Amino acid sequence: DTEVTQTPKHLVMGMTNKKSLKCEQHMGHRAMYWYKQKAKKPPELMFVYSYEKLSINESVPSRFSPECPNSSLLNLHLHALQPEDSALYLCAAGMNTEAFFGQGTRLTVV
Amino acid sequence: AQTVTQSQPEMSVQEAETVTLSCTYDTSESNYYLFWYKQPPSRQMILVIRQEAYKQQNATENRFSVNFQKAAKSFSLKISDSQLGDTAMYFCALRYGGSQGNLIFGKGTKLSVKP
Repeated sequence: DTEVTQTPKHLVMGMTNKKSLKCEQHMGHRAMYWYKQKAKKPPELMFVYSYEKLSINESVPSRFSPECPNSSLLNLHLHALQPEDSALYLCAAGMNTEAFFGQGTRLTVV
Repeated sequence: AQTVTQSQPEMSVQEAETVTLSCTYDTSESNYYLFWYKQPPSRQMILVIRQEAYKQQNATENRFSVNFQKAAKSFSLKISDSQLGDTAMYFCALRYGGSQGNLIFGKGTKLSVKP
């Protein structure tokens, strides 16, 4: 069982849709992350939140908008995505050492 | 720049045998952590083992152990008594910079355990 919960597990959306990915953790970790993973590739960092403040944005297009409402929740708002944005989106929560990952959301943009 | 290199794209091992996955890294940081993550077809990234760079003793977790050679910047993973459930993609990762630090992943090694 994962201590980082992501919803939904699967999402299909059109290029004009607006949707959100949700991530929740109750481990008390104050750093939370969004990663994007294409098939057969390692995860690539998108955003880092530290103490609910955005600390790293890896030059991600503005059609991806992160939000950290509190220390347990992390959202990724999606708007006007492109088919090449189809991927597995992983959320992680961590401390000074390891990061714990959720099961991911498989996103397909049609 | 920080880099992680896994030179074995795929490996296979017979059930109950031992296999070693290779990883080399490069960093100019003095304080960093190294990890092996496992990603089965269920896709969740699972932490297998971690190693603090300041510790000389190699980490061990049940059937999983590492050979950490700091001077050579090498961090290999040994899986003993391989089980079918060990079939997965294995990623070596480097982390520095505290809790805000990024995890730098290698390209991964696909391990297949055969009955």
